[in-house]
Amino acid sequence: QKEVEQNSGPLSVPEGAIASLNCTYSDRGSQSFFWYRQYSGKSPELIMSIYSNGDKEDGRFTAQLNKASQYVSLLIRDSQPSDSATYLCAVESDTDKLIFGTGTRLQVFP
Amino acid sequence: ETGVTQSPTHLIKTRGQQVTLRCSSQSGHNTVSWYQQALGQGPQFIFQYYREEENGRGNFPPRFSGLQFPNYSSELNVNALELDDSALYLCASSFGRPGDIQYFGAGTRLSVL
Repeated sequence: QKEVEQNSGPLSVPEGAIASLNCTYSDRGSQSFFWYRQYSGKSPELIMSIYSNGDKEDGRFTAQLNKASQYVSLLIRDSQPSDSATYLCAVESDTDKLIFGTGTRLQVFP
Repeated sequence: ETGVTQSPTHLIKTRGQQVTLRCSSQSGHNTVSWYQQALGQGPQFIFQYYREEENGRGNFPPRFSGLQFPNYSSELNVNALELDDSALYLCASSFGRPGDIQYFGAGTRLSVL
């Protein structure tokens, strides 16, 4: 059974701080990894995709991938209250098919 | 806006009934994937259609079925509804290649009473 694990949270950080979200996965053959943000009652929207070991930065967001440790993380710098949402880690299990974690709820307080 | 549209937005059915949910893909995408998201959980893969053929299925019973049309729009049909089928149903479109980004529609919220 291919699995993706996330801490459900909530993760509470003050405004302006760095939020660190983590994800582990079981399938060593996975090559593509995604972070989606989901506001309450809405659908997931893509934040970052990452395919190679190392860091990938996009604005305030940095995704980190370590395939040897089967670990993906998302850092959000200068967190804002508008970042408060559930962050879903998704791993491609087979061509273009995603396995999602349960999501980590992030709360950014003023 | 992802260009993926779903209808209806909300639906209330009773146990044992049948339901059809619809999805229109982003322009140019030939692959549609359907997911079920129960409250407090991550989306779970139901099945995928690529160029009108089923191309993979998750751990869902046969009463969950689908279609993809020549214009790449798609339907999800659920027969003999059960209370546990209450969830947000999401469709996502893509090009069907390894590593492709999937773009999600707004979802259909199904309540089974």
